[in-house]
Amino acid sequence: DAGVIQSPRHEVTEMGQEVTLRCKPISGHNSLFWYRQTMMRGLELLIYFNNNVPIDDSGMPEDRFSAKMPNASFSTLKIQPSEPRDSAVYFCASSSGGGRNEKLFFGSGTQLSVL
Amino acid sequence: AQSVAQPEDQVNVAEGNPLTVKCTYSVSGNPYLFWYVQYPNRGLQFLLKYITGDNLVKGSYGFEAEFNKSQTSFHLKKPSALVSDSALYFCAVRDETGFQKLVFGTGTRLLVSP
Repeated sequence: DAGVIQSPRHEVTEMGQEVTLRCKPISGHNSLFWYRQTMMRGLELLIYFNNNVPIDDSGMPEDRFSAKMPNASFSTLKIQPSEPRDSAVYFCASSSGGGRNEKLFFGSGTQLSVL
Repeated sequence: AQSVAQPEDQVNVAEGNPLTVKCTYSVSGNPYLFWYVQYPNRGLQFLLKYITGDNLVKGSYGFEAEFNKSQTSFHLKKPSALVSDSALYFCAVRDETGFQKLVFGTGTRLLVSP
């Protein structure tokens, strides 16, 4: 298995532009998580899905952020319009369940720079 | 709400020496505790977890962690450090009802010198 795949690896954009980050979870995993990592705030959970349904989006910072999971193999995180303070590394992670099998598999992240 | 504290920003250890990376937690009820490691330009990788059972948990790459309920701690340990263990280590916690919703610590950078 190729693991969790995120694209693009790097994104540089100008303030006000729309940014779309993409994630393909590990096949068979039913939970998907979007995290943001910054020096100031560390690792923050933005939103997570279970069986393609958003369960908790309380970590989404503002209405400018939205996430979708149209099917079990694809998710997007969109920022519109983007702002310089959105610059961070965005990670997608997937999991096959809780309990004894509980662990997150992370993608390599998207480094977002908003100028 | 649950929280995790990693009191050390950085831990320095010589290769071959034992290492400890500290973590304390706060949670209502029984904790689910995790350690993850992050290498440069990579996502986090799972090392080990405690859910229930033995207080000493063994994980990947020779790491282990000891759950101490009275001290609300879950320190990561390794008997003999390798230079390749140099990385950023994150402790994470959730409560029994958190549905895999982990709260991560701020991370501890481990530097192992040759």
